[in-house]
Amino acid sequence: AQTVTQSQPEMSVQEAETVTLSCTYDTSESDYYLFWYKQPPSRQMILVIRQEAYKQQNATENRFSVNFQKAAKSFSLKISDSQLGDAAMYFCAYRSEWIQGAQKLVFGQGTRLTINP
Amino acid sequence: ETGVTQTPRHLVMGMTNKKSLKCEQHLGHNAMYWYKQSAKKPLELMFVYSLEERVENNSVPSRFSPECPNSSHLFLHLHTLQPEDSALYLCASSQDRNTGELFFGEGSRLTVL
Repeated sequence: AQTVTQSQPEMSVQEAETVTLSCTYDTSESDYYLFWYKQPPSRQMILVIRQEAYKQQNATENRFSVNFQKAAKSFSLKISDSQLGDAAMYFCAYRSEWIQGAQKLVFGQGTRLTINP
Repeated sequence: ETGVTQTPRHLVMGMTNKKSLKCEQHLGHNAMYWYKQSAKKPLELMFVYSLEERVENNSVPSRFSPECPNSSHLFLHLHTLQPEDSALYLCASSQDRNTGELFFGEGSRLTVL
């Protein structure tokens, strides 16, 4: 079974600095999707960024970028110019399979990110 | 606001009570999900519905009973729960096969006494 591991339960960073959140996963598949989701204190989880495994280029969304190392099964999230609004739980997720039009996402344990002003 | 609404936001119930959680999505999606979020644990997928048909039951105890009367609504009926069932229950929906994005509600915080 696929697993996703986030080894950093908590991280903190100074406002305007850069922080990297780590994620590793285990799979035998060659084509899959990886995601980073953000869950602010209000608890509504939103998608931050996605990566398709067959694409070699790392995904980027404004201040958010990933370092996707397929051979190492590593998928880290870099947040540049950290802002107070970035404070949240961050979840790494792997899409393991489609089920009749729906999809199964496997999530990591999450990393709580604190932004220090 | 992501278009997925969950009610109630907070629920306290005794072990012998029967209650229900409700989820409504306004996005026209055709798949809906229930996830359980406990502290310091990965999100646990409970149930998956596609086109109103249950396509996944992830070994969830029978004291949790899902219902999907139409593509916009999803319920989780609760009865004779245990204290360890206390958690945040998240509903999500999806449509686009290619993007793979789930849209989540804010969750229902359940406390079982």
